[in-house]
Amino acid sequence: GQNIDQPTEMTATEGAIVQINCTYQTSGFNGLFWYQQHAGEAPTFLSYNVLDGLEEKGRFSSFLSRSKGYSYLLLKELQMKDSASYLCAVIDSNYQLIWGAGTKLIIKP
Amino acid sequence: GAVVSQHPSWVICKSGTSVKIECRSLDFQATTMFWYRQFPKQSLMLMATSNEGSKATYEQGVEKDKFLINHASLTLSTLTVTSAHPEDSSFYICSARGSGDSYEQYFGPGTRLTVT
Repeated sequence: GQNIDQPTEMTATEGAIVQINCTYQTSGFNGLFWYQQHAGEAPTFLSYNVLDGLEEKGRFSSFLSRSKGYSYLLLKELQMKDSASYLCAVIDSNYQLIWGAGTKLIIKP
Repeated sequence: GAVVSQHPSWVICKSGTSVKIECRSLDFQATTMFWYRQFPKQSLMLMATSNEGSKATYEQGVEKDKFLINHASLTLSTLTVTSAHPEDSSFYICSARGSGDSYEQYFGPGTRLTVT
């Protein structure tokens, strides 16, 4: 079966750095997305990785290792507004988007 | 660019009635649209995938006669919840994907349905 694992919840301090991990086992791989979802709102796009390595975009970076079936989202200089759920999603060989359950990130002052 | 709208943003209806939710891609042509449902504190659950001009493909466990999907044009898809019951109360989100190589899905703002 297809499976995407992420921690259910993480807590971090304002101004700090946090890394949210995602591991996947899917039938094929055509890319990995990270989305941010605030409570009661729809997801918003953060990043897309299809090749191994680190993609940096401002305070957010995303890393991918296809051989390990592993990705992480790195958030730097955390702000209170970063409190949200972070969803990892993989495009499989049928070009279907397989969603992880999401990681709820709680930022404390 | 790549804006998706949904209407209504929230709706309250009585049990047994039907509710229609519209999803529109405002500045691009959406060859594929997706409908998701999300219960509180749970992840997105894909209900169905629809391609313009063809019948929707429903995920296992989703009743196609209860959740009617119409993707009549490249910019509009509708989801009709027929004979709604309180257990259908949820957050319904649509997303759209264009015809290019990107597989990114652009999400609408969601519709909160409450069935009383």
